[in-house]
Amino acid sequence: AQSVTQLDSQVPVFEEAPVELRCNYSSSVSVYLFWYVQYPNQGLQLLLKYLSGSTLVKGINGFEAEFNKSQTSFHLRKPSVHISDTAEYFCAVTFAPSNYQLIWGAGTKLIIKP
Amino acid sequence: ETGVTQSPTHLIKTRGQQVTLRCSSQSGHNTVSWYQQALGQGPQFIFQYYREEENGRGNFPPRFSGLQFPNYSSELNVNALELDDSALYLCASSWGPRGDTQYFGPGTRLTVL
Repeated sequence: AQSVTQLDSQVPVFEEAPVELRCNYSSSVSVYLFWYVQYPNQGLQLLLKYLSGSTLVKGINGFEAEFNKSQTSFHLRKPSVHISDTAEYFCAVTFAPSNYQLIWGAGTKLIIKP
Repeated sequence: ETGVTQSPTHLIKTRGQQVTLRCSSQSGHNTVSWYQQALGQGPQFIFQYYREEENGRGNFPPRFSGLQFPNYSSELNVNALELDDSALYLCASSWGPRGDTQYFGPGTRLTVL
């Protein structure tokens, strides 16, 4: 079965330090890749997406992600985090041929230490 | 442009009851997908509606059913509620069913006692 793995359930990091949140998926078939952020008691907001083209994708709030087909990964990075980045981050993937169903990782809580 | 809205925000029901959750899609979107997010977990796909027809379904029993209306708004109905149905129910809309970006509403928090 197709799956998405977020290796870290929590990532603590100091304010203004860089961060990487990891995401791997199970299949090398054609995929569309997404990162969403969920602030406490809120819905999901799209951070960035990869559909095709350049493997380095830039999103909102200074985040970027790199699609690596050979490693079936789509890791999220930010060079300098802010206290307002405290949230849960979800990686989601749609797999060919259907491409309609988002398969989600379990989420990574980003904890910013002052 | 109006975003995705959901109602109600919160709901408390008892086991065995039935519930209807509502979703208004973003302007211009013709596809609605529903997800269940249990506490501390990622969302799980329930089903998707495209132009008023069910376009795909996840691993949920038939007591989870839905509708999409001509204006592309949607309902999720759950019959014979069980304690494990307690979750945040998320609705997402998109233009087209295949791979396009889904935009999420704030969710309905359902508690089953």
